[in-house]
Amino acid sequence: QSALTQPHSVSGSPGQSVTISCTGTNRDVGDYNYVSWYQHHPDKAPKLIIFDVSRRPSGVPDRFSGSKSGNTASLTISGLQAEDQAHYYCCSYAGAYTMVFGGGTKLTVL
Amino acid sequence: QVQLQESGPGLVKASQTLSLTCAVSGGSVNSGTYYWSWIRQLPGKGLEWIGYIYNSGRIYYNPSLKSRVTVSADTSENLFSLKMTSVTAADTSVYFCARFSPDLYFFDYWGQGTLVTVSS
Repeated sequence: QSALTQPHSVSGSPGQSVTISCTGTNRDVGDYNYVSWYQHHPDKAPKLIIFDVSRRPSGVPDRFSGSKSGNTASLTISGLQAEDQAHYYCCSYAGAYTMVFGGGTKLTVL
Repeated sequence: QVQLQESGPGLVKASQTLSLTCAVSGGSVNSGTYYWSWIRQLPGKGLEWIGYIYNSGRIYYNPSLKSRVTVSADTSENLFSLKMTSVTAADTSVYFCARFSPDLYFFDYWGQGTLVTVSS
């Protein structure tokens, strides 16, 4: 079970869009539509922002969207705001009641 | 509103056992609906799922940690625990507890995390 691969960092200016990729294998991301994304501000609890690849929990702005193609899932944040600056982690079901996370991506809002 | 709070020593000596507890409020560790989970944030390496316990009896572990980890629950205190044996510096992490929805495969409530440092 290997960690999902995410870019170490991405950046964008307020109002712009950024996309964070999450690459797994055909034993996790590619085999299940159970990809979730979490936003983590320092010293706070991580927050669920996307589940089932593209569904948003109640209260999460529609600026956050998710998608998947093959073994790669993506999180897109449009209309960047200063408060979006955080770390973002993807997560996938990996079979046999196990879960696997990504290495995390630091989003900087310029 | 479900709340989770981790507690335990912030410093553990190498080769010894790390022990953490997670107190749950607003939900029951014996609910039979959710899995109660441990996750850690490795420095510079992202999150790592450790394991979870369901209905106080079914337990699933990350295969890479299974030989050193035990997750258990205390239904009378409404908390669950993590024990990790033979720790090394590589186990220095922020440890989170979280609630997992097995129907929707996501972690919906998290604690704020507790830093555990392994010293030599």
